[in-house]
Amino acid sequence: EPEVTQTPSHQVTQMGQEVILRCVPISNHLYFYWYRQILGQKVEFLVSFYNNEISEKSEIFDDQFSVERPDGSNFTLKIRSTKLEDSAMYFCASRTGDYGYTFGSGTRLTVV
Amino acid sequence: GESVGLHLPTLSVQEGDNSIINCAYSNSASDYFIWYKQESGKGPQFIIDIRSNMDKRQGQRVTVLLNKTVKHLSLQIAATQPGDSAVYFCAENLWAGANSKLTFGKGITLSVRP
Repeated sequence: EPEVTQTPSHQVTQMGQEVILRCVPISNHLYFYWYRQILGQKVEFLVSFYNNEISEKSEIFDDQFSVERPDGSNFTLKIRSTKLEDSAMYFCASRTGDYGYTFGSGTRLTVV
Repeated sequence: GESVGLHLPTLSVQEGDNSIINCAYSNSASDYFIWYKQESGKGPQFIIDIRSNMDKRQGQRVTVLLNKTVKHLSLQIAATQPGDSAVYFCAENLWAGANSKLTFGKGITLSVRP
């Protein structure tokens, strides 16, 4: 069964450093998402991406965040200058034109 | 504001019993609902979904019920097994083409006693 692949599985970074979280969505999917989950809390929407541009972003997705689909297969989330409160699990998801969302296993980001 | 929420934070059931997990949603325009299971350190795993033009859908050992009148969603797990122990999330989707996205409720922990 096709999977959404995320790397790395765990990333530790110092506060103020830039991080890039990587995702390989399912190849025939058209819509791409990043969600995050702070420990013990619900999964929160960050951003959606379609046709090489952001469709929608949440209040969390401020100027420190950016997304890119540089080569038609990878979908990346960049945090320019990490803060302690950015520590969370970050999930990538993709879907086809209908409702079929598929989530990756996540990247655990720890900011120290 | 719009929200999706769960009534109970934890649920403990005896192995072999049936489990019922409930969820309330507030956006009456949502057209699609999904139940996810999340095991420790993993991403949300699809269990079952239902579209708003249905009120019941059955899978293998799982049933989802949708009551649009009271904006209520439930997940029934038959003959609960230890492997069912996890956090369960309901999520709603508001169809808006490219702007469609899922909104998740707070998770409920299901604990299965042997």
